[in-house]
Amino acid sequence: NAGVMQNPRHLVRRRGQEARLRCSPMKGHSHVYWYRQLPEEGLKFMVYLQKENIIDESGMPKERFSAEFPKEGPSILRIQQVVRGDSAAYFCASSPGQGQPPLHFGNGTRLTVT
Amino acid sequence: QKEVEQNSGPLSVPEGAIASLNCTYSDRGSQSFFWYRQYSGKSPELIMFIYSNGDKEDGRFTAQLNKASQYVSLLIRDSQPSDSATYRCAATTGGFKTIFGAGTRLFVKA
Repeated sequence: NAGVMQNPRHLVRRRGQEARLRCSPMKGHSHVYWYRQLPEEGLKFMVYLQKENIIDESGMPKERFSAEFPKEGPSILRIQQVVRGDSAAYFCASSPGQGQPPLHFGNGTRLTVT
Repeated sequence: QKEVEQNSGPLSVPEGAIASLNCTYSDRGSQSFFWYRQYSGKSPELIMFIYSNGDKEDGRFTAQLNKASQYVSLLIRDSQPSDSATYRCAATTGGFKTIFGAGTRLFVKA
């Protein structure tokens, strides 16, 4: 399966813990988007990255959230000191180049903060 | 002002009818527009894209773009119950990121 791989599918964290969400793009795709989706709501843009570079992080909360896409390995979305309001589905999508839309989405990571 | 706006619906149409989904965008620098379908509990799936003014047809789907009015639409002909989903309009902005509207829920009644 050469699709976008996200893991874990489900993640439960207690308030104050850290959450790490991973995304491996489709083979041949060099760019990754992260979106957050609250229940019954739309997809909210968070960050757009290429390997070793953040292109646009205007949708990322100023505190506790960070993202990276290293030269080797998956893209990581990191949420420090999680709060209940962070509970959501986090989707990753990949595209082959800058300016290309998210062509393929992963199955998402559903984060629950207890 | 929201950058991509859609009527949240729900839009209900009978089987076999044409479903019309609409979207407006605020960034005149947007060049590329996309429609995604998302079934409940699933991830979004790209179904159509359009870059030029006018119509683009693909099977039962037609995307329409009017850059002067900053308006994008999706028509689904011969709607089927399996088309029931949330349809999300998206635009690639001048900054190259792709942003989504809130989505329109479509129900096709058998």
